[in-house]
Amino acid sequence: QKEVEQNSGPLSVPEGAIASLNCTYSDRGSQSFFWYRQYSGKSPELIMFIYSNGDKEDGRFTAQLNKASQYVSLLIRDSQPSDSATYLCAVNRNNRLAFGKGNQVVVIP
Amino acid sequence: DGGITQSPKYLFRKEGQNVTLSCEQNLNHDAMYWYRQDPGQGLRLIYYSQIVNDFQKGDIAEGYSVSREKKESFPLTVTSAQKNPTAFYLCASSQHLRGFSPISQYFGPGTRLTVL
Repeated sequence: QKEVEQNSGPLSVPEGAIASLNCTYSDRGSQSFFWYRQYSGKSPELIMFIYSNGDKEDGRFTAQLNKASQYVSLLIRDSQPSDSATYLCAVNRNNRLAFGKGNQVVVIP
Repeated sequence: DGGITQSPKYLFRKEGQNVTLSCEQNLNHDAMYWYRQDPGQGLRLIYYSQIVNDFQKGDIAEGYSVSREKKESFPLTVTSAQKNPTAFYLCASSQHLRGFSPISQYFGPGTRLTVL
């Protein structure tokens, strides 16, 4: 079992819709979780982090954490073409971050 | 203007050559990291350093070397022993407090290395 899994293929959403991304992790002791956005050819940029069970909202982004089920998700509301990117999930592991492979999101105007 | 700089942006290497990638940060962060990213893949940790003059191997350290002589600088050398060095190399930094999990990592713009 991989440490961090993002299994969904490319996600296409119409402009204005909600994009939903999921990430599961294997280390039950993980304490902090991060979502990064990476545009093609660019470096990742941090968009959200979450430490506690439940939801955390920041603008159009909502991160959801469920430690019992070992998953973290990211919702993007009112999706815009500028949201088209790859989204990387990262999980704290022994003072380092383990990254998933990412999910590509394509917002269709 | 605070941030992380990496140079060069593009680097071409002949087989058998060592090359050094630069990473500098002026965020006063304690910890620095090197990752490698291959097409369609996530980030894999090469080396990391939590304090000056100390560093640890990550998941794929073979064929790479680092130094941490100054807090703001963490150069990565890709040696000729690295069998498949063509990749996108990313440097990151974060605060690191003893006894606590590290807070968010911030990335530099990356160096794209191609072996000819």
